[in-house]
Amino acid sequence: DGGITQSPKYLFRKEGQNVTLSCEQNLNHDAMYWYRQDPGQGLRLIYYSQIVNDFQKGDIAEGYSVSREKKESFPLTVTSAQKNPTAFYLCASSSSFSGTGNNEQFFGPGTRLTVL
Amino acid sequence: AQSVAQPEDQVNVAEGNPLTVKCTYSVSGNPYLFWYVQYPNRGLQFLLKYITGDNLVKGSYGFEAEFNKSQTSFHLKKPSALVSDSALYFCAVRAPFGSSNTGKLIFGQGTTLQVKP
Repeated sequence: DGGITQSPKYLFRKEGQNVTLSCEQNLNHDAMYWYRQDPGQGLRLIYYSQIVNDFQKGDIAEGYSVSREKKESFPLTVTSAQKNPTAFYLCASSSSFSGTGNNEQFFGPGTRLTVL
Repeated sequence: AQSVAQPEDQVNVAEGNPLTVKCTYSVSGNPYLFWYVQYPNRGLQFLLKYITGDNLVKGSYGFEAEFNKSQTSFHLKKPSALVSDSALYFCAVRAPFGSSNTGKLIFGQGTTLQVKP
């Protein structure tokens, strides 16, 4: 988990509320990612950012939004439009998005979001 | 489109015995392959990767994986399992450099490894 921090560790949301999950990295990585993890399923990509001030939708972007105003930060907002937001959310980063070789993704410790 | 399959939801092994966690993949061209481990309520930790070169890749904590192109497999192995190896293991594939999806990791659904004393 070193180098990537996520906060809070646990988050509770009431129906209809927007919440923002924080992700910060000090690895000087260009690329950052948000994944959602549900029990018995692999990780599913929500959004990714190849470089600062740029981001693209992943496979399950509906009901989520992101920003990438700083290289080290990639916050994820879970909006009220996300119908089933209860899940474990993981942020990751890599040195580059499409480079060869040593650009495996490094993961933060995760945020567990529960809708009350 | 690329995909990854981990055919076993759970693998049970006695401590001291060898372990294998299976992974097969589908991707056009030469794949980049990864194994990650996840302990409860934690993020994923990188174990090892195959990019090119020797088919047997050695990684962290005594784990290794064998790339088999003809069988499109990348099974994770360890000669002697420890109780502390009990965790959730994910295999992932990345599209080759130059493809439209390069950079994205596609994950298998995960395999729970249970090592019993």
